[in-house]
Parts: sequence; C-alpha cells; structure tokens
Amino acid sequence: GAGVSQSPSNKVTEKGKDVELRCDPISGHTALYWYRQSLGQGLEFLIYFQGNSAPDKSGLPSDRFSAERTGGSVSTLTIQRTQQEDSAVYLCASSFPLETQYFGPGTRLLVL
Amino acid sequence: GQQLNQSPQSMFIQEGEDVSMNCTSSSIFNTWLWYKQEPGEGPVLLIALYKAGELTSNGRLTAQFGITRKDSFLNISASIPSDVGIYFCAGQPGGKLIFGQGTELSVKP
Repeated sequence: GAGVSQSPSNKVTEKGKDVELRCDPISGHTALYWYRQSLGQGLEFLIYFQGNSAPDKSGLPSDRFSAERTGGSVSTLTIQRTQQEDSAVYLCASSFPLETQYFGPGTRLLVL
Repeated sequence: GQQLNQSPQSMFIQEGEDVSMNCTSSSIFNTWLWYKQEPGEGPVLLIALYKAGELTSNGRLTAQFGITRKDSFLNISASIPSDVGIYFCAGQPGGKLIFGQGTELSVKP
C-alpha cells in the first residue's frame, strides 16, 4: 500500500505570503502528526491529530500556524504571513494510536 | 520542556568499523525509538524499545533502553557504505515524539 504522501515537495514563497502544505496519511491511520526540521536540526513537534480533533497543538510556534484535518484523513498545515525563519522541512507522520509513526518525505519550504 | 541530548553530532568512520551513539534525557520516557534519515526522505524507524533494560537487535543494529529510562544507545556493527545517514533517537511521551539533534554518520569505503 501507499505510504504517507506530502505536497508540494518543494515550495518557494515570498515573505508575507500564506502557504498551505498537504499531508495524505496511510489509509486507516487515525493519528496524524506534523513536525518541522530546520537545517541540520532534529525534528520539532508541531501538532497531533486523533481523527479530526487536535488534542495536542502545543508545538505550534505562533498563531500564524494552524492545521486542520477533515474526514479523518487529509491534513493541511497553513502558515500565514510567512517569515524567513519559517524556512524548514515540514514532515508529516501517521500511525495507529500510540504505534509506529511512518513519515512522509516532507515539504521543503523556502521563504525569501 | 523535555529535551534529548544526542552524541556525537557526527562520525567519520572506515567501512567495517563498529559505531556507537547515545542519547540522554532530562526526563523519563516509557518508549525509546531510533530512526534513520537519508537525504530528501523522512525518518525511518530502525528499532523501538519499550522496557527499561531492554536490549533489542535488528540485523547489525543493537539498541538498549537504559535502566533509569533516561538514556538509550545504538550500536552498528561492521558498518557498510549504505549506513550513511543521520540517526535520531526519540522519546515518546504520549503520542508525539521528542527527537534528539541527530548523529550524522559518514562511512568511507
């Protein structure tokens, strides 16, 4: 079966613009996670969905960041008024609850 | 907040050598995980540890869950060129993962 897919794979945007990043989890996985990886760094947790609700959004760095999940499947991470420090790889993972997380290839975001 | 300290940051070794890396935490975890990430890809799970003191192997990889539940190590024996990548430890407090900073491994043939 297909793994976690993310789109776009690369995104270049201008400072101040909004961007939307998409994640398609593995079919049947009820848990979905977003992480951010800055250059040369480990992964930083952003938000966790169980079904369509987000019991843990403690990692979102500011109110410019939001995420939603619909139909218990696809999730969208939105960054409003992008800043240069938002440049990073945004990784999505999915799993059955508390089981192994499988990661997508990430979206490389560059804010000019 | 919870932090993981992973060392070393990078390693340059000769093919055939053994490798060891470790991770320590300021808090207790009930699950320790080791991931490998290759360029342009997301991390892939190598080994999962669920019990303090547990020693688990996956081929040439061996990992241990420290008895204090605040540390873990990963060993790779007889390294080969395809072992190249960044290795991350991660603790799992609940659903989310807390990652170490990574160990970048380079293997010279």
